[in-house]
Amino acid sequence: KNQVEQSPQSLIILEGKNCTLQCNYTVSPFSNLRWYKQDTGRGPVSLTIMTFSENTKSNGRYTATLDADTKQSSLHITASQLSDSASYICVVCFSGGYNKLIFGAGTRLAVHP
Amino acid sequence: DTGVSQDPRHKITKRGQNVTFRCDPISEHNRLYWYRQTLGQGPEFLTYFQNEAQLEKSRLLSDRFSAERPKGSFSTLEIQRTEQGDSAMYLCASSFQGNIQETQYFGPGTRLLVL
Repeated sequence: KNQVEQSPQSLIILEGKNCTLQCNYTVSPFSNLRWYKQDTGRGPVSLTIMTFSENTKSNGRYTATLDADTKQSSLHITASQLSDSASYICVVCFSGGYNKLIFGAGTRLAVHP
Repeated sequence: DTGVSQDPRHKITKRGQNVTFRCDPISEHNRLYWYRQTLGQGPEFLTYFQNEAQLEKSRLLSDRFSAERPKGSFSTLEIQRTEQGDSAMYLCASSFQGNIQETQYFGPGTRLLVL
């Protein structure tokens, strides 16, 4: 079964601290992996996209890693800001036909002052 | 604004009523997707259009749900005889068919509450 699992389910950190979110997937065949940020009551916004040949991708303070052999990914947030409070969703693109996405349940991050 | 727009943003209805949501994708995007998201979960795929053709429907899309994209531009999602279990955020996304890193851009969603 094609699944994407994320941990932790929720996380609270202090402003300025770093954190790492985890994603494991069983989607096959695999095309690419994405991380999305979703603010409360809003649609998801793409942060990074990685194909199976890429093992790291950065977007400002966000750095995603991918290990296609172990089917694991992580999203590292550096020097967190209050505006980073959101859900972070790991999304795996299912290869073939069209751009079919399998979403994880997300990690809800709260950054406190 | 050139992003994906959805209307209405919020809808409260009574059980048994019909509701219709609209999605306006980014103008040059030929692919359009509908998703449903419940609290604490990631979006779940409902259906997909390439231009005006509806090419895939999820088993989540019961007979009470119908989606159209008549001219390959905007799309509508109708739910007939709404049930309380239909309460969710309905998200629309669009993309341009292209390379392997084709990005889906999401709208703000329509939050439906069925009383």
